[in-house]
Amino acid sequence: DSGVTQTPKHLITATGQRVTLRCSPRSGDLSVYWYQQSLDQGLQFLIQYYNGEERAKGNILERFSAQQFPDLHSELNLSSLELGDSALYFCASSPEVSHQETQYFGPGTRLLVL
Amino acid sequence: AQSVTQPDIHITVSEGASLELRCNYSYGATPYLFWYVQSPGQGLQLLLKYFSGDTLVQGIKGFEAEFKRSQSSFNLRKPSVHWSDAAEYFCAVSYSSASKIIFGSGTRLSIRP
Repeated sequence: DSGVTQTPKHLITATGQRVTLRCSPRSGDLSVYWYQQSLDQGLQFLIQYYNGEERAKGNILERFSAQQFPDLHSELNLSSLELGDSALYFCASSPEVSHQETQYFGPGTRLLVL
Repeated sequence: AQSVTQPDIHITVSEGASLELRCNYSYGATPYLFWYVQSPGQGLQLLLKYFSGDTLVQGIKGFEAEFKRSQSSFNLRKPSVHWSDAAEYFCAVSYSSASKIIFGSGTRLSIRP
């Protein structure tokens, strides 16, 4: 158990809909990272927040957004969903801002868009 | 472009046999290198990482990896695999403390009883 929790575990929705994925980092960790894992794209970095502020952006679509709240939990919002958004979405956390620190991954949220 | 390649999609080894998983990164400044493992239905767990210093790095679960700059490689090894090592293994690279981590496509390891 990494100490990172993600809800929900599974999500099934329809094209065009909007969903919110939630992540609670390990106690004391200030950085939260979001990743997307799909069969065709592999594991891709989406976005990082550090202590409430956006710090780095990866291959995140404009239809996707994230935020980190004062209690350091984070949410990833996916809107206007398409079939290709079906994937496993991971959250990871680390104590500080550097990507080179050990990142602790949650179990993921499996999203299926029908 | 910065990238990392894992040439083996799937490897099967017998329990008790030795293991080597290959990883090559694109040439650039001194890389930060990582190996992660993903067990079925789980998130990723860091096995080991290399930033500088001794090129042979020891990790958890009996794994080690060797950084070879001349070959742009960071191969993962284990002298004797256990059935519980069956998982997906990801090599990853980053090129500065501020840059994102780029993951390879993964190697799936199966263990033959």
